[in-house]
This record gives sequence, C-alpha cells and structure tokens, in this order.
Amino acid sequence: DAKTTQPNSMESNEEEPVHLPCNHSTISGTDYIHWYRQLPSQGPEYVIHGLTSNVNNRMASLAIAEDRKSSTLILHRATLRDAAVYYCILRYYNQGGKLIFGQGTELSVKP
Amino acid sequence: GAGVSQSPSNKVTEKGKDVELRCDPISGHTALYWYRQSLGQGLEFLIYFQGNSAPDKSGLPSDRFSAERTGGSVSTLTIQRTQQEDSAVYLCASSLVGYSPTDTQYFGPGTRLTVL
Repeated sequence: DAKTTQPNSMESNEEEPVHLPCNHSTISGTDYIHWYRQLPSQGPEYVIHGLTSNVNNRMASLAIAEDRKSSTLILHRATLRDAAVYYCILRYYNQGGKLIFGQGTELSVKP
Repeated sequence: GAGVSQSPSNKVTEKGKDVELRCDPISGHTALYWYRQSLGQGLEFLIYFQGNSAPDKSGLPSDRFSAERTGGSVSTLTIQRTQQEDSAVYLCASSLVGYSPTDTQYFGPGTRLTVL
C-alpha cells in the first residue's frame, strides 16, 4: 500500500493561511488523495479529496503536485476551530473501503 | 439530517466482562465501518460491512472481537472477555457506497471504553 508522510505538528496564527504538506512518493495512478481532520474529542470528518487537479470546497483547497508525489491542504484563513489533527490518506479501487490513517499533523492555531 | 450515532458514549467495565457497542449509521448508507483509537495511538481499522457482502474482518485484533450488522442498518461490536488493552475510543462510520475511492465516510462521536 502506498504510504503518506506528514509533519507531526504545525502552528499557525489565527486568520492567516495554513499549508499542510503531505508526501506520497509511491502513489499509483489510480490512488485518490483524501484529507480528513479530527477535532478534539470528536470523530474524524471529511475535508476534501482529489486525483490530479487542484480542488476547492468551502472548507479548504487541495493542491496536488504535477507528479502527484506530494500534495498540500490549504486553509485560507485559519480559525481557532481549525485546531485539529489532519490526516492525508490514499484510497484506491479494490481497497475495500477502509481508511488507513497515519499519525497525521496536529495543527495548533494561536489567537 | 441525522448523522451517525453511537451508544453508549462512555462504558466502564471490569476485566473479563463482555461489552456491546452500538452504531446507527446514516439512513441509506450501504457501508459501515468500525475503527478504534487507543490513547496516544492513531486510528485503527477493525471491520467493514458492504451491503450484503461478507464483511472485511481483517482488522479485528483477536477472536474476542466480533461485529454484526442487522438488516443492513444497525451494527453491534461485541468484545468478549475484555482486557485492559481494549480500552480505547471505538468509532463507527458509514458511507453511501463503500467500495468507491471517492466515497466520503461520516463518523460518529465514538464510544469511550474503559476496562478496569
């Protein structure tokens, strides 16, 4: 299975943009890149996913490198509510649906 | 609409007792998953139900763990003869079409299990 590598922790200031990196150098052509986050004392929640092109939604943007060996989750204006552990996960057909979580990046946001 | 619900929210039990954890998925979701998160550990897959297919039990840590999904809806995770290392938060998730790599999983709030 292709794996992802993320920094253990990052800090941001409130109302500033945050770029959360993820390396996935062994990604295959059919792997989708998903991001989930887990707020304190809650279950994970879906953030965004993409395959090749950059993606935007109301929560965040996902920038995917041209060679797809890395991606970046972008929070355009961090709020205190964005403090969470962010997980970058690869998914592919015939994987059986399960999510394989790594250690993720713990994002702290300072007022 | 209603999200994934789990009960109980907290469960304290004595070592050696059996426990049952319940998950109510989002209505219409064909896929249901169980994960667990131990203190200081990451999220670990346990079992996956997809429609009427045989469940993927590859993540169950021992034969003390079992799960069933009745009528394609509610699921129960049973842990027999609980051990202290079973203490964790047990999370349930559901999704519309589990086998698709673009599918979104919706998680419940979890059940915190403490084995004394």
